[in-house]
Amino acid sequence: EIVLTQSPGTLSLSPGERATLSCRATEIVTTNYLAWYQQKPGQAPRLLIYGASTRATGIPDRFSGIGSGTDFTLTISSLEPEDLAVYYCHQYSTSPDTFGQGTKLEIK
Amino acid sequence: QVQLLQSGAEVKKPGASVKVSCKASGYTFRNYGISWVRQAPGQGLEWMGWIAAYNGNTNYPQKFQGRVTMTRDTSTSIVYMELRGLRSDDTAVYYCVRSLAGPFDYWGQGTLVTVSS
Repeated sequence: EIVLTQSPGTLSLSPGERATLSCRATEIVTTNYLAWYQQKPGQAPRLLIYGASTRATGIPDRFSGIGSGTDFTLTISSLEPEDLAVYYCHQYSTSPDTFGQGTKLEIK
Repeated sequence: QVQLLQSGAEVKKPGASVKVSCKASGYTFRNYGISWVRQAPGQGLEWMGWIAAYNGNTNYPQKFQGRVTMTRDTSTSIVYMELRGLRSDDTAVYYCVRSLAGPFDYWGQGTLVTVSS
């Protein structure tokens, strides 16, 4: 199965700063079938990005995704306090679907 | 609006089975599938398998084969996930999610299953 490794494990930034989250796969994620989710405390995850770079409905444009092959990045251009969450990447190109272990984003 | 409404929390003893339901509304049920994803306390997300609403075809990862069964009732738009031989490490929140060989765009509210003697 494809193993996804996210880095860093924890990111601590101030409002207005830029956050860069990484997701690296052990095999090529074909057709860029890579998604990002945001999970706030006590809530279900929410789809942010799919197809590596397409924002889901209603997602603010400060969230962007890029990447191909085995290396993918989620960028939050200017952090808001409500962006406090754990962010997961997910590959759906090869069964079984797999998730990264998550990056916890702390807002100073 | 798309909604996935799951059944309530369960407490089970080791070795028992649990069956969690997920009622879909707000879209054409047969046009999508439902995946199940679980999250142990303080841990990440784990995919448990998928069922096609149209014909009931399923896809389970090797880890859960033989222990999980997903079924659906097209007359009520409900999907069921049964997990057998429960162990303490099956304690988790179980989510149903809408999917069609793609990203998980809508999530249920989650069902906490606690396995304890």
